[in-house]
Amino acid sequence: AQKITQTQPGMFVQEKEAVTLDCTYDTSDPSYGLFWYKQPSSGEMIFLIYQGSYDQQNATEGRYSLNFQKARKSANLVISASQLGDSAMYFCAMRVPSMDTGRRALTFGSGTRLQVQP
Amino acid sequence: AAGVIQSPRHLIKEKRETATLKCYPIPRHDTVYWYQQGPGQDPQFLISFYEKMQSDKGSIPDRFSAQQFSDYHSELNMSSLELGDSALYFCASSHPTGKTGNTIYFGEGSWLTVV
Repeated sequence: AQKITQTQPGMFVQEKEAVTLDCTYDTSDPSYGLFWYKQPSSGEMIFLIYQGSYDQQNATEGRYSLNFQKARKSANLVISASQLGDSAMYFCAMRVPSMDTGRRALTFGSGTRLQVQP
Repeated sequence: AAGVIQSPRHLIKEKRETATLKCYPIPRHDTVYWYQQGPGQDPQFLISFYEKMQSDKGSIPDRFSAQQFSDYHSELNMSSLELGDSALYFCASSHPTGKTGNTIYFGEGSWLTVV
């Protein structure tokens, strides 16, 4: 079974500063994918960044980067130069590929609510 | 670019009524997922379809059913609605890239309120 743990229910950060949101995971599968999603108060689930277990380099997407430490089973999201619009709930999720014709669904963590202060 | 389309966006039903949610995945995506997110909760996986066949089943109640049609759109049918079914329902879709973890894109969700 897969498990995602986000230990920070809430985080505060000053505008223009960087912030790290923690995520640890547990799986016995050697092949897996890690995702981060942003959910603003309006409710939609917005894909931010993806890291594959075999990827040699940490993923980056604009102001988002993923600090992937495989041995520690952690996949922390780093947001640089925070903006007021970054205030939202952030979910870490994991997916293990299915061995049959289907595709396994994502397992989500409990989320971290980030508030960016001016 | 086209996104996952869900309808209706908001729905109010009474207890014991039936509701149907529709989802139109991103074109050429072969897998559709349904999730339920209760207030203050993380999304919980309900069911998924790969090439119009059910592929995985999560915590979907027996009162709920879903299917994927020949045009790849999917519908989630919920019967005998209970107050606890009030939630945000997401549909998501993914594309076969051959990589370990194809990105999964979510729709904007359908808000169901049961009164």
